[in-house]
Amino acid sequence: NAGVTQTPKFQVLKTGQSMTLQCAQDMNHEYMSWYRQDPGMGLRLIHYSVGAGITDQGEVPNGYNVSRSTTEDFPLRLLSAAPSQTSVYFCASSPDRAKSYEQYFGPGTRLTVT
Amino acid sequence: SQQGEEDPQALSIQEGENATMNCSYKTSINNLQWYRQNSGRGLVHLILIRSNEREKHSGRLRVTLDTSKKSSSLLITASRAADTASYFCATVLFGNEKLTFGTGTRLTIIP
Repeated sequence: NAGVTQTPKFQVLKTGQSMTLQCAQDMNHEYMSWYRQDPGMGLRLIHYSVGAGITDQGEVPNGYNVSRSTTEDFPLRLLSAAPSQTSVYFCASSPDRAKSYEQYFGPGTRLTVT
Repeated sequence: SQQGEEDPQALSIQEGENATMNCSYKTSINNLQWYRQNSGRGLVHLILIRSNEREKHSGRLRVTLDTSKKSSSLLITASRAADTASYFCATVLFGNEKLTFGTGTRLTIIP
């Protein structure tokens, strides 16, 4: 199994541009989530999904959209990039066994918005 | 605001010594988890402890949970250079589907 994969690894955007960060998992996990990591702030939840067709907002959802059309994929869309969205983005999935929400993380996407 | 706060923010010890990190949280939890992050990499799940458990072990890791004090500790025994990483606690609240992370402890093992 490849686990959780993310593309691209690095991305530079200009303010106002849009893009999609890709996330896929091959473990048949129902639960998937997106976090951003900023220095000194730990990880903050952006959006999450408990199954195909179901998404919900996390702590910092503004400026981001998600969809979950399949169990495997959970793309994160930046609608109009802003410098405040410069961060490292992590996708994670969870088998959701007994509602433990133990997460398996991807390698991350480092995004810079100029 | 962060649910979990780790203490200390940074810790440097000699190889072979034990490392202890603490996590405090604000509201009642379903479970608490510890993760490790090596520089430039994603997080890796280490151990999960449920609210009705007081202590768990996994290899050189020992986690304790004190729900009355709303705190947890992670002990790494006989540290190795490969243990150099950031360590995060994360909590799941009852009836909540979200995992909330603390700000992390940066551990450096000096060879």
